[in-house]
Amino acid sequence: DAKTTQPPSMDCAEGRAANLPCNHSTISGNEYVYWYRQIHSQGPQYIIHGLKNNETNEMASLIITEDRKSSTLILPHATLRDTAVYYCIVSGSGGSNYKLTFGKGTLLTVNP
Amino acid sequence: ETGVTQTPRHLVMGMTNKKSLKCEQHLGHNAMYWYKQSAKKPLELMFVYSLEERVENNSVPSRFSPECPNSSHLFLHLHTLQPEDSALYLCASSPGGIRQEQYFGPGTRLTVT
Repeated sequence: DAKTTQPPSMDCAEGRAANLPCNHSTISGNEYVYWYRQIHSQGPQYIIHGLKNNETNEMASLIITEDRKSSTLILPHATLRDTAVYYCIVSGSGGSNYKLTFGKGTLLTVNP
Repeated sequence: ETGVTQTPRHLVMGMTNKKSLKCEQHLGHNAMYWYKQSAKKPLELMFVYSLEERVENNSVPSRFSPECPNSSHLFLHLHTLQPEDSALYLCASSPGGIRQEQYFGPGTRLTVT
């Protein structure tokens, strides 16, 4: 599976949009981009995933560049409860498409 | 989120004990997973079951023994653990097929004394 690169930490003001970047320059054509988050000492929470097109759900939007080498997770109106570690994961190649390899992620701190 | 439940939430056991962790998913999913998260380390995939068949055993020591009696239940049997096995053990499930988004339980915080 392709490797991802994320900044170790980011800050965001409450009520503002949080834009979390992720680089995945070695992504292959059949690999998806997944985003999860983990609030301290809880299980990770699935947020969103996409292949080529931008995606939006009730939690967030996912913007994938045309060359698919990078993506951005957007939380449109961040709240204090969005403070968490956010993981960008690329997965889905061949028979091991169930494998999610978690890295260190980005610690997003939402400030009042 | 109550789709995936885990019991117990906390467990303290001695190195000679035998205990089991239980996971149950109420989402109608076909695949279930065990992960380990040690302090300040990324999640590590331990085992994967798809339609009750083990499809992944990620070089996990034999003192961890998984069991998947049906697609809704997953167990992790523990025996003669070491202090370094103390960690948060997380269960997850996914729909299966091309849909691989995983839904996690709250985890079991295990301390081996």
